[in-house]
Amino acid sequence: EADIYQTPRYLVIGTGKKITLECSQTMGHDKMYWYQQDPGMELHLIHYSYGVNSTEKGDLSSESTVSRIRTEHFPLTLESARPSHTSQYLCASSDQGKNTGELFFGEGSRLTVL
Amino acid sequence: KNQVEQSPQSLIILEGKNCTLQCNYTVSPFSNLRWYKQDTGRGPVSLTIMTFSENTKSNGRYTATLDADTKQSSLHITASQLSDSASYICVVSDRGSTLGRLYFGRGTQLTVWP
Repeated sequence: EADIYQTPRYLVIGTGKKITLECSQTMGHDKMYWYQQDPGMELHLIHYSYGVNSTEKGDLSSESTVSRIRTEHFPLTLESARPSHTSQYLCASSDQGKNTGELFFGEGSRLTVL
Repeated sequence: KNQVEQSPQSLIILEGKNCTLQCNYTVSPFSNLRWYKQDTGRGPVSLTIMTFSENTKSNGRYTATLDADTKQSSLHITASQLSDSASYICVVSDRGSTLGRLYFGRGTQLTVWP
């Protein structure tokens, strides 16, 4: 079982609130990712990181920001949530040293913005 | 246009029956193809990873095949169980960057009835 954890699992907030989705992994993986997933749709990469102090934007335009101050921690922040941000957010990590680069996913954070 | 197409979109089978899920891709160059299982409300979990030179790989009752010439893969589930009810996602990685960009299918939603 993967050692990657996301909190909160579920969050319902009002428009305009600031939120942070937490993601931690204990596998020592360098690469970490945030994906957005809507029902019946493919996962979309919104942010990724190669390692400490490295953050990059993904394919899907997102108003969120991320930080990577520690290897094990990769939080995602929305400064002002809107209903369009309602979605499932999945955090993942992979071992940069392995060519196959298998992704290990967290359980997800389901965000609802009213 | 999504470079990874999965079919069928959804499938209902009776417990104990076999089924085959399809994945066609146009990703090039090709590095590897992965099948993930995603239970409702959970993060995806890797089932198999196949590289260019591999034609078949099994993981218990799951058998994945890959035809790199026709760019097709299938996931065969034998003697289905109720716990197999989930979304099955096909993911293809290219060799275009050191990160190995990932292309996700939309998944096949499998429901196993008793």
